[in-house]
Amino acid sequence: DIQMTQSPSSLSASVGDRVTITCRASQGINNYLAWFQQRPGKAPKSLIYAASTLQSGVPSKFSGSGSGTDFTLTINSLQPEDFATYYCQHYNSYPLTFGGGTKVEIK
Amino acid sequence: EVLLVESGGGLVQPGGSLRLSCAASGFTFNTHYLSWVRQAPGKGLEWVASINQDGSEEHYVDSLKGRFTISRDNAEESLYLQIHSLRVDDTAVYYCAVDVSGSHWGQGTLVTVSS
Repeated sequence: DIQMTQSPSSLSASVGDRVTITCRASQGINNYLAWFQQRPGKAPKSLIYAASTLQSGVPSKFSGSGSGTDFTLTINSLQPEDFATYYCQHYNSYPLTFGGGTKVEIK
Repeated sequence: EVLLVESGGGLVQPGGSLRLSCAASGFTFNTHYLSWVRQAPGKGLEWVASINQDGSEEHYVDSLKGRFTISRDNAEESLYLQIHSLRVDDTAVYYCAVDVSGSHWGQGTLVTVSS
């Protein structure tokens, strides 16, 4: 099975900051990588698929990059609504697996 | 607008069974893979199962094989998850999602397994 390791597991940032979250796969997954945002008590929301393609309606402040085993999610100009937990997930093969999540908190 | 509405969750005793449903609308149902993902209280996301467009191909996380069965009814535009021999650690919110990349998610249904 492919393991997905996210780092950091949590971070504190201020409104207006830029943050970067990394996701590493235990083996190559081409670009079959998705990113999700989950606010407390809510369902996950798709942000990015195919490592760098923004889901329809997602603001361009979110961006993804990487291929193979190393990927990043960058959020520019953090706003209060961006404070949430972010997950990566590969869909290169079964079983699909998620990273452990990164909680973005207000400093 | 894509809409996914899960139902069928609730309180069940260990060893019991449940059938979860996910009613879909707003997209061409029979052209998409569908998945179930669960989230235990305070924990991360765990993929459970996926099914292909015509229901001929099912995939499961190994640890749940044999107790969980995913199915779909394209005429009714619905996805299902049958769960047998429920355990306390099956307690979670169960989400349905469109595509293996999770393009759209429902709001989830809570399954609580407790005596």
